Amino acid sequence: AQKVTQAQTEISVVEKEDVTLDCVYETRDTTYYLFWYKQPPSGELVFLIRRNSFDEQNEISGRYSWNFQKSTSSFNFTITASQVVDSAVYFCALSGVAGSARQLTFGSGTQLTVLP
Amino acid sequence: KAGVTQTPRYLIKTRGQQVTLSCSPISGHRSVSWYQQTPGQGLQFLFEYFSETQRNKGNFPGRFSGRQFSNSRSEMNVSTLELGDSALYLCASSFSSGGAGEQFFGPGTRLTVL
Repeated sequence: AQKVTQAQTEISVVEKEDVTLDCVYETRDTTYYLFWYKQPPSGELVFLIRRNSFDEQNEISGRYSWNFQKSTSSFNFTITASQVVDSAVYFCALSGVAGSARQLTFGSGTQLTVLP
Repeated sequence: KAGVTQTPRYLIKTRGQQVTLSCSPISGHRSVSWYQQTPGQGLQFLFEYFSETQRNKGNFPGRFSGRQFSNSRSEMNVSTLELGDSALYLCASSFSSGGAGEQFFGPGTRLTVL
């Protein structure tokens, strides 16, 4: 069975601070994909990144960066110099590639509030 | 390119009724997945349709069903509504089947069961 844990329910930071959102996953598959989605108050989930299990390179996209460590089954997300517009719920998700695992399993989400 | 559209956006029903929600995927996408989002259970996968065939199903009772048409539009139906079915129902479209591809989500349908 697949499982994604986001232990941080809520995080509050002041604008321009850096913030890291934690994600720990469990799977018995050797091939899988990890995702991060953002859900602003409007409700629509916005895709941020997809990473496959064979690519442990860290990725940076503007103020966003992701750290994937298979040894600790973690896929953490860092926002540098946070902005008020970053306030949203962030979800980490996992998908396998075979059978019933071929579906997105989401973590419970982290509510990020960036204060001006 | 138009995004994923869902209709209606809001719906109020009473217990025992049934409801049908609609999802139009991005043009060219043949996969549509449905998710239920509640404060208690979070985001949970309902089912995925690809080329009019159900490819995968989550752990929901048989009251939840769906279908997909030849133009890739999908509907999901919930029969004999219960209070616990109150949720945001999200659909997502993808070019390929399975959860590994990038999924584009619609704005959701907010269902309230009274």
